[in-house]
Amino acid sequence: DSGVTQTPKHLITATGQRVTLRCSPRSGDLSVYWYQQSLDQGLQFLIHYYNGEERAKGNILERFSAQQFPDLHSELNLSSLELGDSALYFCASRLDRGPAFFGQGTRLTVV
Amino acid sequence: ILNVEQSPQSLHVQEGDSTNFTCSFPSSNFYALHWYRWETAKSPEALFVMTLNGDEKKKGRISATLNTKEGYSYLYIKGSQPEDSATYLCAFIGAGNNRKLIWGLGTSLAVNP
Repeated sequence: DSGVTQTPKHLITATGQRVTLRCSPRSGDLSVYWYQQSLDQGLQFLIHYYNGEERAKGNILERFSAQQFPDLHSELNLSSLELGDSALYFCASRLDRGPAFFGQGTRLTVV
Repeated sequence: ILNVEQSPQSLHVQEGDSTNFTCSFPSSNFYALHWYRWETAKSPEALFVMTLNGDEKKKGRISATLNTKEGYSYLYIKGSQPEDSATYLCAFIGAGNNRKLIWGLGTSLAVNP
């Protein structure tokens, strides 16, 4: 158990819909990262938050947004979903130079 | 643009073989280098955090070295076992406010029994 909790584990939704993925980081970790893993692809960095502030953006679509709350949990919002958004979404948390600890991921299927 | 490159992209070895792969990263503004193991249907797990030039880390049959001046790290697996089959990722962290993890695409290792 990495200490990072992601909910839900699985999500099936229709095109055009909006979903929210949730991540609770390890206790004390200020950084939260969101990644997307599409079929047979590596980790695609989406966005990084540090102590409530956005620190870096990767290849995140405009239809996607995220935030980190005062209790440090984070949410990734995906809207106007398309079939191509089907993927495994990972959240990871980290403290300073330390390693990233990954949640088990949310598998999103858009039908 | 900061690039982190891993080679080879994939590797097939026989049980008992020793193997190694490479992570290349920018040699300037180094802060840390991580190695992760990513098994199928699981999430990545950290193997090593390396911060100093010349670092050598070891965990069981797996070890890693770091050369920050020339910008590379090697991961070694001694006497590979089928359970070592996974994708091995490295991530570079540059100095700077963002401390962003820049990932390589990984080396996929398959160990045949």
